[in-house]
This record gives sequence, structure tokens and C-alpha cells, in this order.
Amino acid sequence: DAGVIQSPRHEVTEMGQEVTLRCKPISGHDYLFWYRQTMMRGLELLIYFNNNVPIDDSGMPEDRFSAKMPNASFSTLKIQPSEPRDSAVYFCASSNRAATSDTQYFGPGTRLTVL
Amino acid sequence: DQQVKQNSPSLSVQEGRISILNCDYTNSMFDYFLWYKKYPAEGPTFLISISSIKDKNEDGRFTVFLNKSAKHLSLHIVPSQPGDSAVYFCAASALGNQFYFGTGTSLTVIP
Repeated sequence: DAGVIQSPRHEVTEMGQEVTLRCKPISGHDYLFWYRQTMMRGLELLIYFNNNVPIDDSGMPEDRFSAKMPNASFSTLKIQPSEPRDSAVYFCASSNRAATSDTQYFGPGTRLTVL
Repeated sequence: DQQVKQNSPSLSVQEGRISILNCDYTNSMFDYFLWYKKYPAEGPTFLISISSIKDKNEDGRFTVFLNKSAKHLSLHIVPSQPGDSAVYFCAASALGNQFYFGTGTSLTVIP
């Protein structure tokens, strides 16, 4: 299995632009998680899906952030408009059991820089 | 508010010695804990877990200790190897809910 796939690996954009991050979970996994990693706050859960349905989006920082999972093999995290404080590494992870009874498999991350 | 804290941003140890990474938490409802290891430019990978019904779990060179009364867990690596150099995250969850991660500790094992 190729593991969790994320694209792009690096994104540099200007403030105010729309940014879309993409994730392909491991086949057969029915949970998908979006995290943001910063030096100050470590890994923060933004949102997670179960069977393509958003379960908890309380970590989404504000309305500028949105996430979708149109099917079992694809999810997007969109930031519109982007701001410099959104600069971070964004990870997607997937698992095949309940969020706490199994480990999560992380993708390589997307390093986002907003100028 | 950080519910899981790793107060040491970095740690350096000599090869062959013991590495001890610490993690504190504030939520007494946490009942499941994980350690993840992260190399540069890669996503975190699962290392070891422990349930609150245990106070110790061992897997090869890695042992996790849980002290529920102190709300503290630690990861011991013995003996430490240069390949162990990475960032280590602890994570905790309560009653089947989301994981909360710490800010990570960067371990450097000096050959």
C-alpha cells in the first residue's frame, strides 16, 4: 500500500489567495483526520471524518477553513482567504477503526507558507 | 489550552545510554495514550501505546510508563541509537474521542 498521500508537498502563496490541500487515505480506512502542526501548539486536530461524514470540526480555526470528503478515497482542506498565520505543516491521517482504538497513519504533510 | 504538554523541546543523549522523554496531561478522563515518532519531511509514525488500565508497556527497546496519579507518562529508549534521532509526540484521548497531541520533543542521539 502506498500509504496516505498528500499533495502538494509544499505550497507558497500570497495572503488572500485560496489554498487547497489534498489527501488520499489508505484504501479501506474509514476514518480521516486533518491536523495542523505548529511549533507553539504541536499537532492540532482540525476535523475528522467517518465514512466520509464530518464528525467533529471543532478544531477548525475559523470560517476561512473548510474540509470536504466527497468519497472514501479523497479529501480536501481549503483555506480561503489565506493569511500568514496559516503557515504551518498540514497532515492528513487515516485509520480503520474508531479514533482511539487504533493507530492513525499519517501522510507526509503539506508545508504551507503564506506570504 | 494545551491538555497534553511536553515541556522539553529538545534532548540530547549519547549512543547506548537511556533516553527519557516526558509528557504531562491535564485531563483526568484520558484513558489511552500513544507515542509517535517523526523524522524530518515525513509524517508521524506510531511507536507505542498504553491504556490507562496499565502502568507500563514494553516493546523492544521502547517502554512507556504511565503514572495516573501524577498525570504523567514517559517514554524510555534503551539503548539509544543514532537512528532514534527524531521528534517524539505524545498523544492522549478520552472515552473514544479525539486525540490531543503534545508539542513534541526533538531527540538527538550522539554517536
